[in-house]
Amino acid sequence: AQSVTQLGSHVSVSEGALVLLRCNYSSSVPPYLFWYVQYPNQGLQLLLKYTTGATLVKGINGFEAEFKKSETSFHLTKPSAHMSDAAEYFCAVSSAGTYKYIFGTGTRLKVLA
Amino acid sequence: GAGVSQSPSNKVTEKGKDVELRCDPISGHTALYWYRQRLGQGLEFLIYFQGNSAPDKSGLPSDRFSAERTGESVSTLTIQRTQQEDSAVYLCASSSYSGRAFFGQGTRLTVV
Repeated sequence: AQSVTQLGSHVSVSEGALVLLRCNYSSSVPPYLFWYVQYPNQGLQLLLKYTTGATLVKGINGFEAEFKKSETSFHLTKPSAHMSDAAEYFCAVSSAGTYKYIFGTGTRLKVLA
Repeated sequence: GAGVSQSPSNKVTEKGKDVELRCDPISGHTALYWYRQRLGQGLEFLIYFQGNSAPDKSGLPSDRFSAERTGESVSTLTIQRTQQEDSAVYLCASSSYSGRAFFGQGTRLTVV
């Protein structure tokens, strides 16, 4: 069985500060890991994904995430927050051959001026 | 079409009525998913279709919920005898073998 835990349902950062959104997963098979973003009044969009290969994955809008197998984590980071980053972020896990996604409960990011 | 299309975008229904929500996936996508997002909460998996395999219904919250998909085309999520607790945004997504899911804009269901 697979599961995803996102620590912190709400995160606030100052504009220009580091963004760190935490995601831990549980999977009995090698996982595929995803971060999705939902901007206000918009649908979910893929930010980045890890399937195989390089463990540091770069996505859109300056975000990146690192797959750490030993820590079962896939935390999302961005060096400098921008006001436009305010949104809800969802971590998800899947695995090869299943296509079934399990989503975390989401983290709402607030960027303070 | 260019993306996943869901209809209606908004639905207000009286408690006890049945509702049908429709999802048109991206052409060629073999996998289709339904999720529910209640106000202030995360995405809740409901059901998953993959090609002609038996659907994974493990997320359906009660027997009032059912979904169908014909082949690799349109899917319909049906909620019978709606309750106020069913009020939520119902999201549909589809994906191909690459694993990236594309989401529709959702159907906002309000049960009054």
